[in-house]
Amino acid sequence: AQSVAQPEDQVNVAEGNPLTVKCTYSVSGNPYLFWYVQYPNRGLQFLLKYITGDNLVKGSYGFEAEFNKSQTSFHLKKPSALVSDSALYFCAVRDKAAGNTGKLIFGQGTTLQVKP
Amino acid sequence: DVKVTQSSRYLVKRTGEKVFLECVQDMDHENMFWYRQDPGLGLRLIYFSYDVKMKEKGDIPEGYSVSREKKERFSLILESASTNQTSMYLCASSPTNSPLHFGNGTRLTVT
Repeated sequence: AQSVAQPEDQVNVAEGNPLTVKCTYSVSGNPYLFWYVQYPNRGLQFLLKYITGDNLVKGSYGFEAEFNKSQTSFHLKKPSALVSDSALYFCAVRDKAAGNTGKLIFGQGTTLQVKP
Repeated sequence: DVKVTQSSRYLVKRTGEKVFLECVQDMDHENMFWYRQDPGLGLRLIYFSYDVKMKEKGDIPEGYSVSREKKERFSLILESASTNQTSMYLCASSPTNSPLHFGNGTRLTVT
């Protein structure tokens, strides 16, 4: 079965320091992977995706993610965290059984707290 | 910019009531989704639709039904609300092979 895991419920980082939010996946074949962010009382916003090609994917707000096939990971990164990056982050994988509908399987979410 | 609008931000209903959650998108997307979000569980898919009048069960369809009579509108129906359906409900839409666009969510409380 396809699945996504985010092993950390919360990540704390000081402003200006690099941040990493971890994600591992279990998918047969080549995965389509996504990161979304949710600010308080809002819906999810798309950050970036990996379909194929370069293992380092750049997205919105200075975020990037590294696809590692051997470790089945897709960690979200940012070189220098901002207090405004504090939010809930979700990793997701496309459900291949759903064809081209875009149906996603989400991880449980990781709260990022950036302190001044 | 894509807009996905959920009709209510907050809703309080009584056990046994029939509840309608409405979602409208303005970008002619084929696919629409209803997820529920609970702390520690992430987002779980209730139902999705890939065309008008077409629907597919997601991972947790029990206690819910959906309606898609027009392309832009996807309704989630709780036939008889129960307290374990207290949750945040998120609607999303997407064109084929593109990322999902989410509404701001409806926080439903069933008392």
